[in-house]
Amino acid sequence: SQELEQSPQSLIVQEGKNLTINCTSSKTLYGLYWYKQKYGEGLIFLMMLQKGGEEKSHEKITAKLDEKKQQSSLHITASQPSHAGIYLCGADMEIRGETSGSRLTFGEGTQLTVNP
Amino acid sequence: EAQVTQNPRYLITVTGKKLTVTCSQNMNHEYMSWYRQDPGLGLRQIYYSMNVEVTDKGDVPEGYKVSRKEKRNFPLILESPSPNQTSLYFCASSSFPYNEQFFGPGTRLTVL
Repeated sequence: SQELEQSPQSLIVQEGKNLTINCTSSKTLYGLYWYKQKYGEGLIFLMMLQKGGEEKSHEKITAKLDEKKQQSSLHITASQPSHAGIYLCGADMEIRGETSGSRLTFGEGTQLTVNP
Repeated sequence: EAQVTQNPRYLITVTGKKLTVTCSQNMNHEYMSWYRQDPGLGLRQIYYSMNVEVTDKGDVPEGYKVSRKEKRNFPLILESPSPNQTSLYFCASSSFPYNEQFFGPGTRLTVL
């Protein structure tokens, strides 16, 4: 979706390297969700962020939502081959001054390859 | 095990032949949703349901129907499938619209 831009589209890193994926919106985000998808399979929930400046971590993955609530980043420390997959951000965005509620918008995803 | 199931996982059909993709969740979730995923277009919402007998259109509802007669089931109906509905379909559920959505494994549909 062009309403929610993810960058980069694809990323190839060497095992052990750190990396960052970004998710940017032109509208205020009421909620931002990060998911991981193995190719052709279902999505696995990683984290949800709702407050400006919020940061959450799980194992080696950290996600942040900026103060303006229009951009989120996903950072992986010391990447491993198990981190490979497609990372998607999904958002509950502001529509006509209100939350979009149940109508989540997703980015196109970032394909991550981790070489051993 | 808490899960969202979809059937079938793979389906090849022909234009105009009505089909239904089933979705069931065992978590007593109020909220359920259908998405389609296409290369270059990402994940787009087709329909969603806030509770039994309550459904609403998402971003790409044309050519699809849904029903929510029971809390656990949310079938997706294609009355007259066309080749542009060839896609990977996902069903999702959550206990509340703003909480974590649990996704099914996906249904890969090909319409010839």
